[in-house]
Amino acid sequence: DAGVIQSPRHEVTEMGQEVTLRCKPISGHDYLFWYRQTMMRGLELLIYFNNNVPIDDSGMPEDRFSAKMPNASFSTLKIQPSEPRDSAVYFCASSAGRSYEQYFGPGTRLTVT
Amino acid sequence: AQTVTQSQPEMSVQEAETVTLSCTYDTSESDYYLFWYKQPPSRQMILVIRQEAYKQQNATENRFSVNFQKAAKSFSLKISDSQLGDAAMYFCVTNNAGNMLTFGGGTRLMVKP
Repeated sequence: DAGVIQSPRHEVTEMGQEVTLRCKPISGHDYLFWYRQTMMRGLELLIYFNNNVPIDDSGMPEDRFSAKMPNASFSTLKIQPSEPRDSAVYFCASSAGRSYEQYFGPGTRLTVT
Repeated sequence: AQTVTQSQPEMSVQEAETVTLSCTYDTSESDYYLFWYKQPPSRQMILVIRQEAYKQQNATENRFSVNFQKAAKSFSLKISDSQLGDAAMYFCVTNNAGNMLTFGGGTRLMVKP
């Protein structure tokens, strides 16, 4: 099993640019989560999907952030326009129904200059 | 709302010795799970152990075991025969019925050779 796959692993961009982070969950998992981790705020849940449908996006910071899950094997998190305060590590995680364990991807380290 | 508190920002242990990481939580859920996740310098979030709240027996996973005190809402992690590879940030985590995780602030464990 390849686990949760995220790309890119590192992203450096300039303020104002669009950033797209990608995630492939573990096959068969029906929940997908996007998290952001910073030193100041720790790990924050941004949004999660169940069967490709967004269930709770209350953690999305503002309208600059959007997430999609067009099918069971792919999700994107987009930031447009990006700002320096968006610099963080972004994790994608997936879980299989009510099993409750979430399996995390390796994360994407985003730096906005 | 759920809260998870880890009162030890940092801990250190001598290689081969035993260390216990503390965690208290608060939840209004009647059915929930508790987890310990490990995040080494590689930043990969790794599930260490899980405990179902309805089970009285403490979970054990090789050198890792928990002391689950449901009435006290306490969930400590014991690492026996500590190894250099155990050095990491450890997060105490609980979930809710919606499968959303709540993370504690983390405890950084250092292992001395």
